[in-house]
Amino acid sequence: DQQVKQNSPSLSVQEGRISILNCDYTNSMFDYFLWYKKYPAEGPTFLISISSIKDKNEDGRFTVFLNKSAKHLSLHIVPSQPGDSAVYFCAASAFGNQFYFGTGTSLTVIP
Amino acid sequence: KAGVTQTPRYLIKTRGQQVTLSCSPISGHRSVSWYQQTPGQGLQFLFEYFSETQRNKGNFPGRFSGRQFSNSRSEMNVSTLELGDSALYLCASSTEGRTSSYNEQFFGPGTRLTVL
Repeated sequence: DQQVKQNSPSLSVQEGRISILNCDYTNSMFDYFLWYKKYPAEGPTFLISISSIKDKNEDGRFTVFLNKSAKHLSLHIVPSQPGDSAVYFCAASAFGNQFYFGTGTSLTVIP
Repeated sequence: KAGVTQTPRYLIKTRGQQVTLSCSPISGHRSVSWYQQTPGQGLQFLFEYFSETQRNKGNFPGRFSGRQFSNSRSEMNVSTLELGDSALYLCASSTEGRTSSYNEQFFGPGTRLTVL
């Protein structure tokens, strides 16, 4: 039962343009959401998070948007850089319990 | 501060064997979680340990077990290996795990297990 879904396995974007990665969830009890970035042969690294009391969180080039009614969150990267090429995972948690991860979206930023 | 370390990095086993993976969390972190990553399945939660006690458990068979030592280091054991157990096994540590103030998890590089 995949409670967190990333329906786009891959995404290609030109350098300098916006990258939008999407994530949907089914559990309305989730109250904390995170994005991780993963390079090959490395573990995922934390990127940005958002709690359910907010609808937007920004950190430099990275912004996460949360739409609770639609059970949808997205990660915007502006401007995209070649070094952003990686697999991005979204994750969700309910009251600090275990994290549920999506299947990941492989982002390729084309120079 | 040293990151999360996992040993070994690569492992090849045959069906029916058992395997033990090790994870050393970041100094001061008391929560260790284990995940299985396979293509198309993302990261599947196995279990979480906090202060030597299993606090959360995912939906995996009993062949998957773990433990945590007093220094917060953790081991994961898989008995009677099956071909489908081939995966990248990741461990992640955090300061508290379940708490009112959420802490992100810091991941190790993983152990790549291949079952032949």
